[in-house]
Amino acid sequence: AQKITQTQPGMFVQEKEAVTLDCTYDTSDPSYGLFWYKQPSSGEMIFLIYQGSYDQQNATEGRYSLNFQKARKSANLVISASQLGDSAMYFCAIRLRGGSEKLVFGKGMKLTVNP
Amino acid sequence: EAGVAQSPRYKIIEKRQSVAFWCNPISGHATLYWYQQILGQGPKLLIQFQNNGVVDDSQLPKDRFSAERLKGVDSTLKIQPAKLEDSAVYLCASSLGLGGAYEQYFGPGTRLTVT
Repeated sequence: AQKITQTQPGMFVQEKEAVTLDCTYDTSDPSYGLFWYKQPSSGEMIFLIYQGSYDQQNATEGRYSLNFQKARKSANLVISASQLGDSAMYFCAIRLRGGSEKLVFGKGMKLTVNP
Repeated sequence: EAGVAQSPRYKIIEKRQSVAFWCNPISGHATLYWYQQILGQGPKLLIQFQNNGVVDDSQLPKDRFSAERLKGVDSTLKIQPAKLEDSAVYLCASSLGLGGAYEQYFGPGTRLTVT
């Protein structure tokens, strides 16, 4: 069964600095997709970035980029130039191709951006 | 574009009572998901609809939980009777299609407290 591991329970970063949030996954399927979501205190899950297992280049979306290392089965999220509004819970998720293609989420980690 | 709507936002009930949650997905989104998010964990998929058919309900406790999607649009999730361990946030999400890179758009969630 697929599995997502987020080992950092919480991180602190200074405003305007870059931060890396770790995510490792476990699957034997060759085709899968990796997602990062942000959940502020309001509770709504906000999509940040997607990486397909066959994508040759690392995904980027504005200040977000995904450091995808397929051999290590890691998909770390990099946030550049942190802002106070980045303080939130962050969840990594994997979707396998085929079947229901459901998302399986990790436990998440809390990021706090300090002024 | 209106987002995913959910109601109520908060609900407090006693154990053994019943409760229902409502979700209105983004217009045109064929796929609808219900997730349960227990405090300190990532969301766990309960049930997934494609139009008005069930794609995956493997993690739905069918002895007490039920869900339907009327005419392939709105959906309701019901718990009857509720247990203390059902205390969680129930998130509804929708997407244009099934799987692939389709991102899921989440509603604000319903926070259920069972006493």
